[in-house]
Amino acid sequence: DQQVKQNSPSLSVQEGRISILNCDYTNSMFDYFLWYKKYPAEGPTFLISISSIKDKNEDGRFTVFLNKSAKHLSLHIVPSQPGDSAVYFCAASAGDYKLSFGAGTTVTVRA
Amino acid sequence: DGGITQSPKYLFRKEGQNVTLSCEQNLNHDAMYWYRQDPGQGLRLIYYSQIVNDFQKGDIAEGYSVSREKKESFPLTVTSAQKNPTAFYLCASSIAGGSYNEQFFGPGTRLTVL
Repeated sequence: DQQVKQNSPSLSVQEGRISILNCDYTNSMFDYFLWYKKYPAEGPTFLISISSIKDKNEDGRFTVFLNKSAKHLSLHIVPSQPGDSAVYFCAASAGDYKLSFGAGTTVTVRA
Repeated sequence: DGGITQSPKYLFRKEGQNVTLSCEQNLNHDAMYWYRQDPGQGLRLIYYSQIVNDFQKGDIAEGYSVSREKKESFPLTVTSAQKNPTAFYLCASSIAGGSYNEQFFGPGTRLTVL
């Protein structure tokens, strides 16, 4: 039973434009959300996180938005750069030992 | 450089053989984790350990075993009881247990069982 869903397996965007990645969750106990970025043949690296007490968190070109009522979060990358081409995983926590991951979205930034 | 190392990067084994995947960290982290990634799926937790000499099963522990004799090391054994062992295996660590702490990942081991 997948509690975190990334319904878009892939996204292609022009360099300099905005990338928007979406993530939906079903478990209302989740109160902390993270985005990880993964290049081929490497492990995921932490990108940005947000607590459920906030609805927005920004870090440079990356902004995460949380809509608790819709159980939805999104990651915005502005402007998109070629180095952003990677797989992005959404993850969620209910405060215990476990992170629940989505299946990932592959982003391709076109020159 | 501080980080997590996993070896080997690629591993091939015959069906029915046990195989051990190595994971070492020099970040002085207390907690370590093992995940499995399959195509089209998110990472799924196999085992985790919050301190030395203690570990707990994750969501898909059947057919796997671990040990945590040293803080730096958390090897994973894929046994012959694991029905579908071919996958990409990722090890991670965090300062302490609990998922509010950022997890740092190793580069992964791709296991193929022939």
